[in-house]
Amino acid sequence: NAGVMQNPRHLVRRRGQEARLRCSPMKGHSHVYWYRQLPEEGLKFMVYLQKENIIDESGMPKERFSAEFPKEGPSILRIQQVVRGDSAAYFCASSPLGGADTQYFGPGTRLTVL
Amino acid sequence: AQSVTQLDSQVPVFEEAPVELRCNYSSSVSVYLFWYVQYPNQGLQLLLKYLSGSTLVKGINGFEAEFNKSQTSFHLRKPSVHISDTAEYFCAVTQETSGSRLTFGEGTQLTVNP
Repeated sequence: NAGVMQNPRHLVRRRGQEARLRCSPMKGHSHVYWYRQLPEEGLKFMVYLQKENIIDESGMPKERFSAEFPKEGPSILRIQQVVRGDSAAYFCASSPLGGADTQYFGPGTRLTVL
Repeated sequence: AQSVTQLDSQVPVFEEAPVELRCNYSSSVSVYLFWYVQYPNQGLQLLLKYLSGSTLVKGINGFEAEFNKSQTSFHLRKPSVHISDTAEYFCAVTQETSGSRLTFGEGTQLTVNP
């Protein structure tokens, strides 16, 4: 059973461009979470999705950020008009159930905004 | 609201020495507690978790943690560390009532020296 897959692993964008980060959960997992890790900091929750539904987006910035988890295909975290402050590692996690079920993390996408 | 404090940002130890990484949390409701390890440029791997029952929890790689409700702590311990234990360690908490959102501490960098 392959683990959580994220691509790309590294992404470089210039200010004002769009960034699309993809996450394929583990097989059989229908719950996906996105976290952001700024340099020298811990992980901060962004959004929690189930198939086709956003369950909790309390950690998402109000503008420029969006997430989806369609019925088919990976979950996508989209950042429009990136700024230097968006430079961070973005981690996706998945679990078969919600609640306190263990979240399995992907290797992350490291976004650098020039 | 919930929060996690990891009291030490860096812990240097010699190989085969014991180590304790400290974690305190605050929450007004019952919580579930986790320790994750992050090796350089990788995602997070679950070491152990406390959901209920015995307050002493054993995890992978010889680590264990003790849940202390009165002191709101969940310290991680290992009796004898190896060079390969060098990594960043994160304590995390989720509440029974907050769904699946994990709140992480700032992390503790454990460096094991020969």
